[in-house]
Amino acid sequence: QQQVKQSPQSLIVQKGGISIINCAYENTAFDYFPWYQQFPGKGPALLIAIRPDVSEKKEGRFTISFNKSAKQFSLHIMDSQPGDSATYFCAASRTSTGGFKTIFGAGTRLFVKA
Amino acid sequence: NAGVTQTPKFQVLKTGQSMTLQCAQDMNHEYMSWYRQDPGMGLRLIHYSVGAGITDQGEVPNGYNVSRSTTEDFPLRLLSAAPSQTSVYFCASSYVGGDTEAFFGQGTRLTVV
Repeated sequence: QQQVKQSPQSLIVQKGGISIINCAYENTAFDYFPWYQQFPGKGPALLIAIRPDVSEKKEGRFTISFNKSAKQFSLHIMDSQPGDSATYFCAASRTSTGGFKTIFGAGTRLFVKA
Repeated sequence: NAGVTQTPKFQVLKTGQSMTLQCAQDMNHEYMSWYRQDPGMGLRLIHYSVGAGITDQGEVPNGYNVSRSTTEDFPLRLLSAAPSQTSVYFCASSYVGGDTEAFFGQGTRLTVV
């Protein structure tokens, strides 16, 4: 059972364009939604994160949009650059109960064409 | 500051062999976890620990054992390796609770032949 569903599996965007990656979750107990960026041969690294009490969070060119009622959230990369080419993972976790399991989506491979 | 250190980086095992993947962190994080990464499957949680002496199962625990005798170390043991365990393994650590970032190691690429 996949608790966090991510789409698309891969994405090709022109330099300067907008990259959009979508995720949906099932467990309403999740209360922390991070996005991780992974370059080849490296471990994932935190990019940006949001909690369900806000609908949007922006950090530079990266924005998370969150729809609590639909149980969906998305990552928007504005003015995409070749250096953004990487695999992106959405994730969800439940931080309130002492246990802290982070469940990841399947990942999106982004390629930004120069 | 070393962060999360995984050893080895690469390993080839024969079916039935056992081995331990090492993970150490120097950030005094309570929470540590192991994931496996397979193409199209994302990162799947194997086992996790919220502190020394406390471990629990994740999504795909079968075939793996863990222990947490110290805050710093969280080894992953494969008792009898199978080809299905061919994967890239990542260890991660973080503080428990709050808006907390998980820090990942560089990964161990394991091939079971």
